[in-house]
Amino acid sequence: QTVVTQEPSFSVSPGGTITLTCGLNSGSVSTSYYPSWYQQTPGQAPRTLIYSTDTRSSGVPDRFSGSIIGNKAALTITGAQADDESDYYCVFYMGSGTSVFGGGTKVTVL
Amino acid sequence: QLHLQESGPGLVKPSETLSLTCTVSGGSISRNNYYWDWIRQPPGKGLEWIGSIYYSGNTYYNPSLKSRVTISVDTSENQFSLKLISVTAADMAVYYCARREYSGNYFDYWGQGTLVTVSS
Repeated sequence: QTVVTQEPSFSVSPGGTITLTCGLNSGSVSTSYYPSWYQQTPGQAPRTLIYSTDTRSSGVPDRFSGSIIGNKAALTITGAQADDESDYYCVFYMGSGTSVFGGGTKVTVL
Repeated sequence: QLHLQESGPGLVKPSETLSLTCTVSGGSISRNNYYWDWIRQPPGKGLEWIGSIYYSGNTYYNPSLKSRVTISVDTSENQFSLKLISVTAADMAVYYCARREYSGNYFDYWGQGTLVTVSS
């Protein structure tokens, strides 16, 4: 069974930088898993931030960036703002048409 | 601008079948290079991929749900649908439909979601 691991929670000060990570229990993450990242605020549908590892979706501020760091996918928020306080989910494409979500990271800006 | 809208009963009894439809407007469901997916989120929990369908009818399912899930497409109505049989309280969730872009394998458009409660 594929398990995608994310940090359960993260705190950042306004203006600060955080890096969220997304790992696979089966081994290292690579671009062939097409990592994507989504932001969700309470009561709202997810919003697409990053796809194909490091491509920002239309309208997403450049303070959000995606990468692979070590053996994990990563989402970095540089210069965090109050409205970045949200849940963040990563998704991997596992092949054969299937996808799997990480458990999500709750980011608090304080 | 593409718009996806979920519809269906908001209350389903345990052991019965959950049925939802996603209506796509502002674009054709028959376009190449897009899959049409269902995703759910139990209250207070994370997102779970349920499955997807291509307009040709090819389907792909989460292995943990595969025995209970059927996704179908109606290109004439520009809709796709989800059926989940033998529901339990664990199936109570907000159900989202989404479009998945083929080459990047990411969800680029989402419906607003619909809450399905499982209760007798």
